[in-house]
Amino acid sequence: SQKIEQNSEALNIQEGKTATLTCNYTNYSPAYLQWYRQDPGRGPVFLLLIRENEKEKRKERLKVTFDTTLKQSLFHITASQPADSATYLCALNTGTASKLTFGTGTRLQVTL
Amino acid sequence: GAVVSQHPSWVICKSGTSVKIECRSLDFQATTMFWYRQFPKQSLMLMATSNEGSKATYEQGVEKDKFLINHASLTLSTLTVTSAHPEDSSFYICSANLQGFSYEQYFGPGTRLTVT
Repeated sequence: SQKIEQNSEALNIQEGKTATLTCNYTNYSPAYLQWYRQDPGRGPVFLLLIRENEKEKRKERLKVTFDTTLKQSLFHITASQPADSATYLCALNTGTASKLTFGTGTRLQVTL
Repeated sequence: GAVVSQHPSWVICKSGTSVKIECRSLDFQATTMFWYRQFPKQSLMLMATSNEGSKATYEQGVEKDKFLINHASLTLSTLTVTSAHPEDSSFYICSANLQGFSYEQYFGPGTRLTVT
């Protein structure tokens, strides 16, 4: 079965810096890779989706890369703000295209 | 757009009783909805895929007779936890996607179930 690992359980960075989160997967490459944000006690919120034939996707201060050779996605938040503090989840579409398998998540803390 | 609601947001029940959780798509029709469970400091685990008008598809290891799913309309799916036990205490979250448009999922706010 697909195994998804995110680089660290927690990441602390200073406001204004770029946060970089890593998502590594085993086995086959998914058709789609997605990133979600989850705040404590809330459901995840969709951020970005990248297709297997796309190298990079951007949305405002967010950037996602997808390297199917390395089986890795990087998620960047530039000019980070304390409001960006949350858990970020990587998810892959597996099997039936619409089903998602989630990674373990990385808890990002942005400090002043 | 693409708003999903859940009710209740939290519930406490006694061991042995049943609890029903509702998931509604408010501004779109969802032929497919998904039910997840999340334990503290863990990621989301897919329990089942709920299909409107047909039986749900359960993930391996999820007891279908314990977690009853009904997807009676294009905007409502329900999860009933039957004969709940303390180990069923968890955060239950539903989601749906805009069928035919893309594969991102829109999640409800979750339901915190505590079984005493």
